[in-house]
Amino acid sequence: GAGVSQSPSNKVTEKGKDVELRCDPISGHTALYWYRQSLGQGLEFLIYFQGNSAPDKSGLPSDRFSAERTGGSVSTLTIQRTQQEDSAVYLCASSASGSTDTQYFGPGTRLTVL
Amino acid sequence: GQQLNQSPQSMFIQEGEDVSMNCTSSSIFNTWLWYKQEPGEGPVLLIALYKAGELTSNGRLTAQFGITRKDSFLNISASIPSDVGIYFCAGQLLSDSWGKFQFGAGTQVVVTP
Repeated sequence: GAGVSQSPSNKVTEKGKDVELRCDPISGHTALYWYRQSLGQGLEFLIYFQGNSAPDKSGLPSDRFSAERTGGSVSTLTIQRTQQEDSAVYLCASSASGSTDTQYFGPGTRLTVL
Repeated sequence: GQQLNQSPQSMFIQEGEDVSMNCTSSSIFNTWLWYKQEPGEGPVLLIALYKAGELTSNGRLTAQFGITRKDSFLNISASIPSDVGIYFCAGQLLSDSWGKFQFGAGTQVVVTP
């Protein structure tokens, strides 16, 4: 597709369950970013990938959060043993090569943990 | 934690009025970005600033990279109803690895006819 796509668009889960969020970046973009946006808040940086490697994982809130990227394309953000405070919109963005290149955002996945 | 202070938090203005918002920090940034987010969508980049003192326009939008490299402002002139949305500043700290951006909490703009 032409833009960044994310799936699912909405996810409701029970506390304690694991969830996987998927991001399909723009074709050819080498850099991929994950952010979390809580209600009424700005974006919180989680992790970014350059190719398949993640030079900076410092934004991941806890060891329940992990992300991977395979083939330099699709990325998956996994949250294990979800907690209610994990409820937020998870946004993915990609850019051509990172650094100061424009980041193009997907529509996000709204996660609700009951 | 949050290193950017964005203000105001919200603005209710009449169509035709000018809007001004800013972001400040105690840290030095080497890049400032301004985004607009509409409901149910991801943020869209409006303006990017790369040099201290840089003043850049995009239509009715004007943004500046502060001389001290610790602040930036965004102005919207002659607002129209479609300017409604949440505007975010984002900056890349001098001390951070590239690719990592800090975001402000956003300024919600509501335009009434």
